Amino acid sequence: DTAVSQTPKYLVTQMGNDKSIKCEQNLGHDTMYWYKQDSKKFLKIMFSYNNKELIINETVPNRFSPKSPDKAHLNLHINSLELGDSAVYFCASRRGLSANVLTFGAGSRLTVL
Amino acid sequence: AQSVTQPDIHITVSEGASLELRCNYSYGATPYLFWYVQSPGQGLQLLLKYFSGDTLVQGIKGFEAEFKRSQSSFNLRKPSVHWSDAAEYFCAVDRTYGNKLVFGAGTILRVKS
Repeated sequence: DTAVSQTPKYLVTQMGNDKSIKCEQNLGHDTMYWYKQDSKKFLKIMFSYNNKELIINETVPNRFSPKSPDKAHLNLHINSLELGDSAVYFCASRRGLSANVLTFGAGSRLTVL
Repeated sequence: AQSVTQPDIHITVSEGASLELRCNYSYGATPYLFWYVQSPGQGLQLLLKYFSGDTLVQGIKGFEAEFKRSQSSFNLRKPSVHWSDAAEYFCAVDRTYGNKLVFGAGTILRVKS
C-alpha cells in the first residue's frame, strides 16, 4: 500500500490553465506538506497543514491554493499557470509537528508549455 | 533563518570506493538532521536521521552519518559504494520543536565501474 500517493504523476498543460494535484496519505499522520522541486533540484517548502489548518505559507503566489478537506488529504490547485510553475511537486506527511520523519510521495511532474 | 549547505554539486566515485558527502547547517541550536536520497524519477527516501544522543547514526543501505556540533556538520558516509547508490542526496534540517524541513541543494552521486 502506498503511504503517500499523489495524482497525477505527470501533468502537461498550457500557460494560463488551471490545474490541481491531489495528495492522500494512509499513515494516520496529521501534518501534511507541499514542496516544490525546481529544475535545479532545489526543494523548497510551500505549504503545511496540521489537522486541516494552514500553518505554513511560504510566500507562494496566491495563484496557488492548497485545500485540506480532511487530515488525510492535501490538494494543490494552481490558477493561471505560468512557465515558471514547471517543477516537480512533492507531497509529504508526518505525525505531529516536529521530531518526526517526513514521508514523501513520489512527486508530480508539472510541465507548463 | 536556518540554512543547509551541500558544497559538492556532483561527486563521482568508483564502485567499491568509500564515499563522503558533506553537509553544513546554519542554526543557533542543535536541529534535527536528516539525509534523504532521490533516485532518478523517484520520490525522496529517508536514509537516516539524528535527533539526539550518539553522534554517529546508522541508516539504511549501509550509510552512516556523523553529527559534529563544533563544525555544524552532518556528513554522510559509506565505506564501499555500489552502482545502485547512484542518485541525488539531500541533507535536511528541521528546527527543534519546529515544523519546517529545510533542504540543501543536493549532491548528485555518480558511480563508475
